[in-house]
Amino acid sequence: IVLTQSPGTLSLSPGERATLSCRASQSVSSNYLTWYQHKPGQAPTLLIYSASSRASGIPDRFSGSGSGTDFTLTISRLEPEDFAVYFCQHYGSSPEFTFGPGTKVDIK
Amino acid sequence: QVQLQESGPGLVKPSQTLSLTCTVSRDSIKSGSYYWNWIRQPAGKGLEWIGRIYTNGSTNYNPSLKSRVTISIDTSKNYFSLKLNSVTAADTAIYYCARGYSSLSRVWFDPWGQGTLVTVSS
Repeated sequence: IVLTQSPGTLSLSPGERATLSCRASQSVSSNYLTWYQHKPGQAPTLLIYSASSRASGIPDRFSGSGSGTDFTLTISRLEPEDFAVYFCQHYGSSPEFTFGPGTKVDIK
Repeated sequence: QVQLQESGPGLVKPSQTLSLTCTVSRDSIKSGSYYWNWIRQPAGKGLEWIGRIYTNGSTNYNPSLKSRVTISIDTSKNYFSLKLNSVTAADTAIYYCARGYSSLSRVWFDPWGQGTLVTVSS
């Protein structure tokens, strides 16, 4: 399964809404679709698992949705600390884990 | 809160073996139903899962790397390791370790280490 993310880069201002897409090459279980945030030089952090469940400590401005082949990560109002790269992950088989190429959210 | 830290040489010569260690701190590597992963990211490219190991020593590898990869674990010393042999410039990447969890209803990697850059060059 190949994960495609769009757009590659999203240029927005603080306070704006960000909508990020993760598309799978074939239908996948939403239980196995995960989102992460990655800032340069830092460890990636878990945001959303099972497509729509926020990880512990993640602000409620982050939300996930979708099913089948199309999944979305939404940041309702961008805070300065939200400018980062976001990538999706799928758990399947052989290889067990695949990642999307990422969407960079940068400051407009 | 558990922490992971990668360590190892930052420069490896072509055809040699890349060896990295991921040290787990602030919790036992044996606690909970977790497995332990290696992931890498070449510059300008996406993440690639390398493989995982359970605390019983069971492993799964990415088929694209399986012939060259060995992941091991030392539960008494709270670390796990990666060996990748016959490296080429294509293996130059930031290498991450991460704790993984899977159930019928959810899958995640958390936490991750900060990553370590390994360059393959003579």
